[in-house]
Amino acid sequence: DGGITQSPKYLFRKEGQNVTLSCEQNLNHDAMYWYRQDPGQGLRLIYYSQIVNDFQKGDIAEGYSVSREKKESFPLTVTSAQKNPTAFYLCATQTSGSANTEAFFGQGTRLTVV
Amino acid sequence: QKEVEQNSGPLSVPEGAIASLNCTYSDRGSQSFFWYRQYSGKSPELIMFIYSNGDKEDGRFTAQLNKASQYVSLLIRDSQPSDSATYLCAVKGYSTLTFGKGTMLLVSP
Repeated sequence: DGGITQSPKYLFRKEGQNVTLSCEQNLNHDAMYWYRQDPGQGLRLIYYSQIVNDFQKGDIAEGYSVSREKKESFPLTVTSAQKNPTAFYLCATQTSGSANTEAFFGQGTRLTVV
Repeated sequence: QKEVEQNSGPLSVPEGAIASLNCTYSDRGSQSFFWYRQYSGKSPELIMFIYSNGDKEDGRFTAQLNKASQYVSLLIRDSQPSDSATYLCAVKGYSTLTFGKGTMLLVSP
């Protein structure tokens, strides 16, 4: 099956803990994105990567880190420095090199601080 | 900072009516425009995209783009209760996709 796989679907984090959210794709897309969505809010960009071994901060990167060692994978780590991490996290991919392509989304990871 | 503005709603329409969803954007360099539908607790799914000024129709959906006014809209004809969802407008510039906060649409039977 072609697509984007996010795991886990639900994640619980204790205060002060780092957690890593997985995003894997087999669409052969160059660009990958991480968004955060809070209740009643739109999507806010955390980090994005246009190519392997390169990534850029989005609008709300503080408290998060990423890596892009493989084209297929773009994991997001929520560090203890992120003070309000409870949110719905969405990974998206897009073919780069052209503006005229849509972004495809994974099913999301719902992170809750306990 | 690039901004995408949408009326948060809710927009309430009766079944069979036309729903009109609007979006404005700040970056004149924006190249492409997307409408996503998001059901509660689910990830967004693409409904339509538009790149050129004018109208683009796909089934019951019509996207309209006016780059001079920096305005994009989505019309849903013959609205159905299953269309009840939040509709997200997304605008792509050179490298990233910026989303509005979404408009909630409620279609009553």
